Formats: sequence, C-alpha cells, structure tokens
Amino acid sequence: DTAVSQTPKYLVTQMGNDKSIKCEQNLGHDTMYWYKQDSKKFLKIMFSYNNKELIINETVPNRFSPKSPDKAHLNLHINSLELGDSAVYFCASSQAKETIFDEQYFGPGTRLTVT
Amino acid sequence: AQSVAQPEDQVNVAEGNPLTVKCTYSVSGNPYLFWYVQYPNRGLQFLLKYITGDNLVKGSYGFEAEFNKSQTSFHLKKPSALVSDSALYFCAVRDYDTGGFKTIFGAGTRLFVKA
Repeated sequence: DTAVSQTPKYLVTQMGNDKSIKCEQNLGHDTMYWYKQDSKKFLKIMFSYNNKELIINETVPNRFSPKSPDKAHLNLHINSLELGDSAVYFCASSQAKETIFDEQYFGPGTRLTVT
Repeated sequence: AQSVAQPEDQVNVAEGNPLTVKCTYSVSGNPYLFWYVQYPNRGLQFLLKYITGDNLVKGSYGFEAEFNKSQTSFHLKKPSALVSDSALYFCAVRDYDTGGFKTIFGAGTRLFVKA
C-alpha cells in the first residue's frame, strides 16, 4: 500500500553516464514533483507536473529531463552525469494543482552517487 | 520572494522535556505554512499545516505549532519529547510560481532527544 514509490533506492554510476529514476504514486493525486536534497540536507524543487503537464521548471541543467507518461508516474532522466549530481532525489505528490494548502507526500528517495 | 528561516541547525532536549523547533517566514500575501519530519534514510512526512483560523495547530505524533503573525513565526512544539522524535525537521511555505504552486523549505533543524 505504498503511496509514493521510487526506483531504484540506490544508484551508483560513473561520470558521463545516463541514468533514470522512476516514481509512481497510487494516491490519485494530480501533481507530482522532483526535489534534490544535497549533502547538507538542503531541499530544493526541480520540477513539478500536473496531469502530465510541466508547470514548474526551476533552474536545472537541461541534462535533467522529466517525463510523465500519465498522472501517476513521473520519471527523471539524467544525461551526462557529473560529480555534482550526487544527491538524494525525492519524488513527491500532492492532490491538486490549484490548491495552495495541499501537503505533499514524499517517496523514500533515490541516493545517486556519481564517481 | 517568500522565504523560510530555521535559525537553529540543531536542538537538543532531554526525553520528557518540552521541545520547540523555531521557524520564521517572509511572505507577501497570506502565509500557508507546513512542518515536515525526515527520519534517517526516509522521505519527508507531513506533520501539520497552518492555513487560516486558530493560531495553534495540532498535528501528528503529538506535535503542534503556534502561528504568530506579528512575529512572523511558526514554531513547532511538543509538550513531552520522546527519543523517537529525533529526526530532521523542515518548516515550509507554499508560494505561487508561474503555472503552479511550489513549496519552499527551510534548511532543516536536527532534533536530538536524549534518554
């Protein structure tokens, strides 16, 4: 009965490689997010999708490309990985795009290590 | 731009004592404020939120938060701390960006509860 799931949990890869992280939510929410948490635990939004449509795109290198095949899934593809991409990436969802006071539900995170 | 500040990197408290984790905010309109908790190697979990109304908000696991408009604060409190409350706590504010709402997180406060 996992609400927001991510795969893989851990990802170790070399510089220059391309990798993907998958996210699925079974809450029936309309909006999904990707966050990056750095080594100092600072959490910053990267992207937000509502019903498969990109609605927020923070200043993120275009090596990062989110894809939402349907409103329950939001995947993150990263090209040409760099050392600075090492972080924990969290997927999250919330109920509706138009509601400012919806709380978010987070996945367990994917720890990406680039060597 | 809206922002959130958590002035303490770490809070130490003895089990059974009351705890307070501080948060101040800066918003241009009405504040929509949240507290989340992150246990080691886990995603964030929603604790409570302030939208409007009563300044004292009750949430999960016995936590509550006091909204103070004049001091622009939203401190998290618990009357009697448990060792299991030890975790990383994030204060957050919802902000409207082009296309949708995003959540701006504080830097986090690590709570240590000693037995």
